[in-house]
Amino acid sequence: AQTVTQSQPEMSVQEAETVTLSCTYDTSESDYYLFWYKQPPSRQMILVIRQEAYKQQNATENRFSVNFQKAAKSFSLKISDSQLGDAAMYFCAYRRANFGNEKLTFGTGTRLTIIP
Amino acid sequence: DTGVSQNPRHKITKRGQNVTFRCDPISEHNRLYWYRQTLGQGPEFLTYFQNEAQLEKSRLLSDRFSAERPKGSFSTLEIQRTEQGDSAMYLCASSLGAGTGSYEQYFGPGTRLTVT
Repeated sequence: AQTVTQSQPEMSVQEAETVTLSCTYDTSESDYYLFWYKQPPSRQMILVIRQEAYKQQNATENRFSVNFQKAAKSFSLKISDSQLGDAAMYFCAYRRANFGNEKLTFGTGTRLTIIP
Repeated sequence: DTGVSQNPRHKITKRGQNVTFRCDPISEHNRLYWYRQTLGQGPEFLTYFQNEAQLEKSRLLSDRFSAERPKGSFSTLEIQRTEQGDSAMYLCASSLGAGTGSYEQYFGPGTRLTVT
């Protein structure tokens, strides 16, 4: 079974600084997708960024980028120029790529606090 | 596009009672997923549908739980004889089907269940 591990229950960063959230996963599959989701307090979960395992290039979305290390099974999220609105729980998630195996497996999350 | 909606947003029930939650996915999405999230944890997969067909069920979905998607549009999740351990946030998500090139799951705001 696939597992996703987020070893940092809480992180904090000064506004405008950069922070990196860690995620490791375990799988025997070669093709899969990885995601970072953001869950603000009392609000719904939204997708921040996704990475296809077959792509070597790291995904970027504005201030958000990932460091995908397939051999190490590591998928970290870097947030640049942190803003107060980035405060949230961040979940790393994994999904197999083949049809019929579409469930997301989530880590336990990292609570990110932005210090003004 | 109004996003994924869930009703009710909050439900308080006494142990032993039955409860039913509803999820309305994004209109063109044929995939619908249910997850359960307990405090301090990431969401855990319960079940998912392609149109009206239930394609996968987690072992978490005991025989007290049943989910339906009768016309391939909205879905209901029923919990019979609720127990205190059922207290959690129940999340619904939807996505476009396989072959569309899109596999992002869009989440609803969740239904928070408290069993007293």
